[in-house]
Amino acid sequence: DAKTTQPPSMDCAEGRAANLPCNHSTISGNEYVYWYRQIHSQGPQYIIHGLKNNETNEMASLIITEDRKSSTLILPHATLRDTAVYYCIVRDPNTGNQFYFGTGTSLTVIP
Amino acid sequence: NAGVMQNPRHLVRRRGQEARLRCSPMKGHSHVYWYRQLPEEGLKFMVYLQKENIIDESGMPKERFSAEFPKEGPSILRIQQVVRGDSAAYFCASSPLGPSTDTQYFGPGTRLTVL
Repeated sequence: DAKTTQPPSMDCAEGRAANLPCNHSTISGNEYVYWYRQIHSQGPQYIIHGLKNNETNEMASLIITEDRKSSTLILPHATLRDTAVYYCIVRDPNTGNQFYFGTGTSLTVIP
Repeated sequence: NAGVMQNPRHLVRRRGQEARLRCSPMKGHSHVYWYRQLPEEGLKFMVYLQKENIIDESGMPKERFSAEFPKEGPSILRIQQVVRGDSAAYFCASSPLGPSTDTQYFGPGTRLTVL
């Protein structure tokens, strides 16, 4: 599975949009981009995933660049409860049974 | 619709004892995955099971660790003769159709402390 690069930490003001970047320059055509988050000491929570098109659900939006080498997770109106570590994972569902969790981005939402 | 359930949430064992961690997948899910998270690190895959079968145990330590997912009942991760280095959070995830098509949904974890 392709390696991802994320900034180690970010801050965001409460009520503002949080934009979390992820670089995955070696992504292959079959690999999806997944986002999970882990709120302190809890189990990872699935957020969203996509292949090449932008995706939106009730939690967030996922913007994938046309060349698929990077993506951005957008939390449109960050709240204090969005403070967590966010993991960007690329995975080929046909070749792996697991998700590779790196070190992620620690997002702090500031009141 | 209950999520993935794990118990116990916290487990304390002395060196040399056995630890048994249980995972009940989401209703309708027949695929279970175990991950371990050491302090200050990301999650690391251990094993993938379907009912009564171990499909992929590539991340499982060769000794002292075993996993099962019987036809009836929860999946069990068993650690024999625990050592201090086994202290970690152990997370279980489940999916309905298997890794090729599905997102994995995680439980709250079991925090094992070895004294």
